[in-house]
Amino acid sequence: AQTVTQSQPEMSVQEAETVTLSCTYDTSESDYYLFWYKQPPSRQMILVIRQEAYKQQNATENRFSVNFQKAAKSFSLKISDSQLGDAAMYFCAYRSAFYSGGGADGLTFGKGTHLIIQP
Amino acid sequence: DSGVTQTPKHLITATGQRVTLRCSPRSGDLSVYWYQQSLDQGLQFLIQYYNGEERAKGNILERFSAQQFPDLHSELNLSSLELGDSALYFCASSEGESPTEKLFFGSGTQLSVL
Repeated sequence: AQTVTQSQPEMSVQEAETVTLSCTYDTSESDYYLFWYKQPPSRQMILVIRQEAYKQQNATENRFSVNFQKAAKSFSLKISDSQLGDAAMYFCAYRSAFYSGGGADGLTFGKGTHLIIQP
Repeated sequence: DSGVTQTPKHLITATGQRVTLRCSPRSGDLSVYWYQQSLDQGLQFLIQYYNGEERAKGNILERFSAQQFPDLHSELNLSSLELGDSALYFCASSEGESPTEKLFFGSGTQLSVL
C-alpha cells in the first residue's frame, strides 16, 4: 500500500515571502500521479497542482511550483510571493496510474500541513 | 464553486442511528468518489462509483454503504453510528473513471455523532 508523509504539521511565513512544504511518499509503482490540495477554512478541497510521475519536468501553476524527486520519492510544494489567501491546510496526495478498466483507486492523502501567513 | 453539491452541510445524530448523505456530481460527470476526513484517520478514500456501478473500494466499513442512481447522484448510508464516525464526508466527481481524470470536490457534510 502506498503511504504519504507530510512531516511539517504547521508552517508560518511572512506575506510576500517564499515557503516550501515537504512531502514524501512510499510506493513500489513506477507510474503514478502526485497532487497538492488546499483546504481553506471553507473546507472546500481545491487542487493546487498536479505532477505526473513519468514527466521529469516539475509542474508549475503561477506562484506554485513543485520539486519532484522521483528517486528520493519526494514531492515538495513551493509557494512564492505568499499571500494572505494562501493560508490553509495543504495536503499532499498520491494516486496510482494503474487502471484496468475496473475502476481506479482513490487518492491517498498525507496528514496535512497548516500554513499560516503572517501579515 | 466546484459544481459538486452535497447535502446536508451539517448533520447531528446519536449513536446507533442511521443517516444518508447525498451528493450531486458536476453536470456530465459519471464518476463519484466518497472520502472521509477525521481527526484520527485524516482523509481516507471510501468508495467509487461509475455510471451506477461500484468500481473501487477503499477503507469503507461494513456498516457503511453507497449507491449511485440513474440520474448519477449518489448516496452514502452510514448505519449503527458510533462516536468515531464523526467526520467530514466529502464527495468528489470526475468525468470518467481513469486515474488521469481531475477530481472536483464538494464542500462536504459535517457529521457529528453524540
